[in-house]
Amino acid sequence: DTGVSQDPRHKITKRGQNVTFRCDPISEHNRLYWYRQTLGQGPEFLTYFQNEAQLEKSRLLSDRFSAERPKGSFSTLEIQRTEQGDSAMYLCASSYEGWQETQYFGPGTRLLVL
Amino acid sequence: AQSVTQLDSQVPVFEEAPVELRCNYSSSVSVYLFWYVQYPNQGLQLLLKYLSGSTLVKGINGFEAEFNKSQTSFHLRKPSVHISDTAEYFCAVTEETSGSRLTFGEGTQLTVNP
Repeated sequence: DTGVSQDPRHKITKRGQNVTFRCDPISEHNRLYWYRQTLGQGPEFLTYFQNEAQLEKSRLLSDRFSAERPKGSFSTLEIQRTEQGDSAMYLCASSYEGWQETQYFGPGTRLLVL
Repeated sequence: AQSVTQLDSQVPVFEEAPVELRCNYSSSVSVYLFWYVQYPNQGLQLLLKYLSGSTLVKGINGFEAEFNKSQTSFHLRKPSVHISDTAEYFCAVTEETSGSRLTFGEGTQLTVNP
């Protein structure tokens, strides 16, 4: 078990550019979650998948954000036309199915939009 | 809707002193409660969780927490802290009707001084 991994760990981009982040969950976990954490705040839920199905999306997830998990394994989170307000840490977590299951977090991708 | 309040944004203590980090939650249904720790520039690591049963939960690194349903609290304690415990601590809740999303508090920065 190698844990949840995320790539890249850091991303600096200019306003208006598109960025894509990748998350590889713990292999036997069928649920995958995305959270966003801004400086000095707790993580906020964005969306989650069970296998390849996206089951829930937060109102925080604007039209510029899209997440996929095409084969039920890794997931990508894309932000189009980035804005300075998108600067944050993007955290991925995975778990077994079930609302009471523990979510295990990756190291995060820190995004800075200039 | 569930919510979490961490009553102290910063807690400075001296090494080997006891510490308590306070967490209150709001929910109208059954909940599961978690404490996570975040070291600088890292993801979140699970300290402990309360699912059911004994209200005193023991976690890693000598931490424990007590679930108090009447007070809707889940305070984290450690009898003697170390310099290495310096980190951000997050209380989180999930409830049966919210799907799998975790709702986090805003965090408590624990700083252990020599």
